Amino acid sequence: NAGVMQNPRHLVRRRGQEARLRCSPMKGHSHVYWYRQLPEEGLKFMVYLQKENIIDESGMPKERFSAEFPKEGPSILRIQQVVRGDSAAYFCASSQAVGLSGELFFGEGSRLTVL
Amino acid sequence: DQQVKQNSPSLSVQEGRISILNCDYTNSMFDYFLWYKKYPAEGPTFLISISSIKDKNEDGRFTVFLNKSAKHLSLHIVPSQPGDSAVYFCAASYNTGNQFYFGTGTSLTVIP
Repeated sequence: NAGVMQNPRHLVRRRGQEARLRCSPMKGHSHVYWYRQLPEEGLKFMVYLQKENIIDESGMPKERFSAEFPKEGPSILRIQQVVRGDSAAYFCASSQAVGLSGELFFGEGSRLTVL
Repeated sequence: DQQVKQNSPSLSVQEGRISILNCDYTNSMFDYFLWYKKYPAEGPTFLISISSIKDKNEDGRFTVFLNKSAKHLSLHIVPSQPGDSAVYFCAASYNTGNQFYFGTGTSLTVIP
């Protein structure tokens, strides 16, 4: 299966702990997007990365959240000192097109629960 | 600032009838529009798209209509089937932008 792979699918953390979510894009895709879906809400853009570069992080909270897409390995969304409001489904998507006339392919999401 | 809006959070339709899902947008720079379908506990999957140079795109039972002057697009599903029951998101982008903007979704229930 060459689809977008996210892990873990489910993650439980206590307040103050760190959460790391990983995303491997589809083969041949170099553009990665992270979206967050809060309960009863739509998909909210967080960050757009290409290999080793953050292109647009306008949707990322200014504190505690960071993302990277290293030359080797998956993209990682890191949330430090998690709070209950971080509980959400985090979706990674990848695309092949440089412009946005292509489509996004989504992973199945990582569901974070903060106790 | 919600640039893509889906004002109907839910819709129920009888099997075999037409489902019409609506989407409005505010940014006149958007030139590409997509519809995604999402089942519970799964990621969204691409359904159909339309470029701003067109006003209609059809793929089997699914047709998307674009009215640029009204900044409105709609997804028609005909005939509707129970397996179409899902949350539908519309999304928009523009060629010089870096992101796809998603609506809040419409939950479609097709009643057998």
